[in-house]
Amino acid sequence: GQQLNQSPQSMFIQEGEDVSMNCTSSSIFNTWLWYKQDPGEGPVLLIALYKAGELTSNGRLTAQFGITRKDSFLNISASIPSDVGIYFCAGRSDSGGGADGLTFGKGTHLIIQP
Amino acid sequence: EAGVAQSPRYKIIEKRQSVAFWCNPISGHATLYWYQQILGQGPKLLIQFQNNGVVDDSQLPKDRFSAERLKGVDSTLKIQPAKLEDSAVYLCASSTGIVGTQYFGPGTRLLVL
Repeated sequence: GQQLNQSPQSMFIQEGEDVSMNCTSSSIFNTWLWYKQDPGEGPVLLIALYKAGELTSNGRLTAQFGITRKDSFLNISASIPSDVGIYFCAGRSDSGGGADGLTFGKGTHLIIQP
Repeated sequence: EAGVAQSPRYKIIEKRQSVAFWCNPISGHATLYWYQQILGQGPKLLIQFQNNGVVDDSQLPKDRFSAERLKGVDSTLKIQPAKLEDSAVYLCASSTGIVGTQYFGPGTRLLVL
């Protein structure tokens, strides 16, 4: 099956620093998404990308859909304590018949030191 | 607007027992998904429903897992019999059908002893 390689696995940063994480795939996706998951909760959608090359921002978050359609990155600028959590990339490919379940990476655990 | 509801939030059972999880999607959402999230991993799709029909169950271990959405609203996921490796968080998500806008519930945490 499809696999997403997400890196880094974890990040320890100081408050105010910028963060960058990325995701690569062995196969093409038509949609890339970035989710954040807090302890004891389900993932929450941060950014959705629908076109190769697309660059989209949501506040301090910026994400891009790679031109090859096999990768994506997420940047967080000027990190704050509430950014702590696990960030997941997810991809969707058209497998036909209306199936649009997501394939997730293993997550990047962001830890912020005050 | 109420989010996706799941119950129970936690369940502890012994191996070979049966267990069932319930999901109530966001009102009006035609598409419902069940994902399994093992500790330290991302969610993995088990099954997708469109109204009360199955769209994709290719990754559902059908020898022990079953799911239904009889009236096209609520859904139940059952494991019978459970194995140790079924210990995970079971997440339900729903969408209006627009690509990518899947809203997740808080999950049910299952521990199999």
